Amino acid sequence: QVQLVESGGGVVQPGRSLRLSCEASGFTFSSYGMHWVRQAPGKGLEWVAVIWFDGSKKFYADSVKGRFTISRDNSKNMLYLQMNSLRAEDTAVYYCARDNWGIDYWGQGTLVTGSS
Amino acid sequence: DIVMTQTPLSSPVTLGQPASISCRSSQSLVHSDGNTYLSWLQQRPGQPPRLLIYKISNRFSGVPDRFSGSGAGTDFTLKISRVEAEDVGVYYCMQATQIPPYSFGQGTKLEIK
Repeated sequence: QVQLVESGGGVVQPGRSLRLSCEASGFTFSSYGMHWVRQAPGKGLEWVAVIWFDGSKKFYADSVKGRFTISRDNSKNMLYLQMNSLRAEDTAVYYCARDNWGIDYWGQGTLVTGSS
Repeated sequence: DIVMTQTPLSSPVTLGQPASISCRSSQSLVHSDGNTYLSWLQQRPGQPPRLLIYKISNRFSGVPDRFSGSGAGTDFTLKISRVEAEDVGVYYCMQATQIPPYSFGQGTKLEIK
């Protein structure tokens, strides 16, 4: 069965960096685009970034463009989100999710908290 | 960018009764390939989102048949024929036609009266 397991969340000071990871299993990872979606406490879903199945294209939400970088390693079935210049408003649960002309599978999420 | 607007934002429903949620997009969601990439997600309390419906009306694997989706163009509806206690949560519509960005509705909270 499809499994997506995020890791790397934690408490980070504003202005610092953090890298999230997502380990995928149960499907042919290299055949699917992958997303990061976040959810601030008590709020709705916000799309963050997507990467094409082969890494050839990447797109970002305006709110993170220039600060966050999505990447993948198909040899390791891993998805990453490098988050730089973190702000308090980046505080959220970050979900790794599989693209299928929308999103069909979601991980459990990892919490990132920006706090001084 | 496409804006997705859901109504109502909160829906108190009696167990066993039907429920309906509307989602409207600011532009047509018909893709150049002829498909409409509008999906519905359910998020139970404390859980990640889960796909219910894709391409307007297709139930995802394991989704009970009391859930159904309909609509076209810019107007879409999720219906639950008979609400059960396990249906409590927040429901989101999502578009993947005109990207980037992908966009979600604000969410509709379904609660039991």
